[in-house]
Amino acid sequence: GAGVSQSPSNKVTEKGKDVELRCDPISGHTALYWYRQSLGQGLEFLIYFQGNSAPDKSGLPSDRFSAERTGGSVSTLTIQRTQQEDSAVYLCASSASGGATDTQYFGPGTRLTVL
Amino acid sequence: QKEVEQNSGPLSVPEGAIASLNCTYSDRGSQSFFWYRQYSGKSPELIMFIYSNGDKEDGRFTAQLNKASQYVSLLIRDSQPSDSATYLCAVDGGSYIPTFGRGTSLIVHP
Repeated sequence: GAGVSQSPSNKVTEKGKDVELRCDPISGHTALYWYRQSLGQGLEFLIYFQGNSAPDKSGLPSDRFSAERTGGSVSTLTIQRTQQEDSAVYLCASSASGGATDTQYFGPGTRLTVL
Repeated sequence: QKEVEQNSGPLSVPEGAIASLNCTYSDRGSQSFFWYRQYSGKSPELIMFIYSNGDKEDGRFTAQLNKASQYVSLLIRDSQPSDSATYLCAVDGGSYIPTFGRGTSLIVHP
């Protein structure tokens, strides 16, 4: 079946603009994660959605970052007033139930460049 | 703060050799341990997970976990050039939000 998809694949924006990144998880997966990966760095956790529970936002680096998940499926990560340090690859992953041993399936990522 | 440490490498091994990748973690309560492979410009993909002390084998890959010493390793036997990638270690302490290391770059040369 279809894997995790993300759009756009690349986004170039000017400093101060807002951007929206989209993630379509694998159908039926209840858990959805957003990560950020800067060049040569590991994955930095941003936010976690599990079913209808309140999301875990503990990884969001500032209040310029927000995310929502509509209908338990598609998720949008919004970055307001982008800064150059926001440039990174933003990865979305989903897993069947968010269990500790569940496999996370990653999307291809969105490469964000802030000029 | 939970930390997961990996040597960034690169680790260079000849084709056919055993590649040994190591990872240490700070949270003694960690329960699940994952190894992801990430090819350049691609997203991570899970290759192994382990949650019990000892060894777990899957084809050419063996994960080794030692909770007392707080390390987990990945052995790749008969390394192939196609194994050249960055290997990310991830550790989950039961919060369902794994902590990732920065990854070790592996180069397998013919």
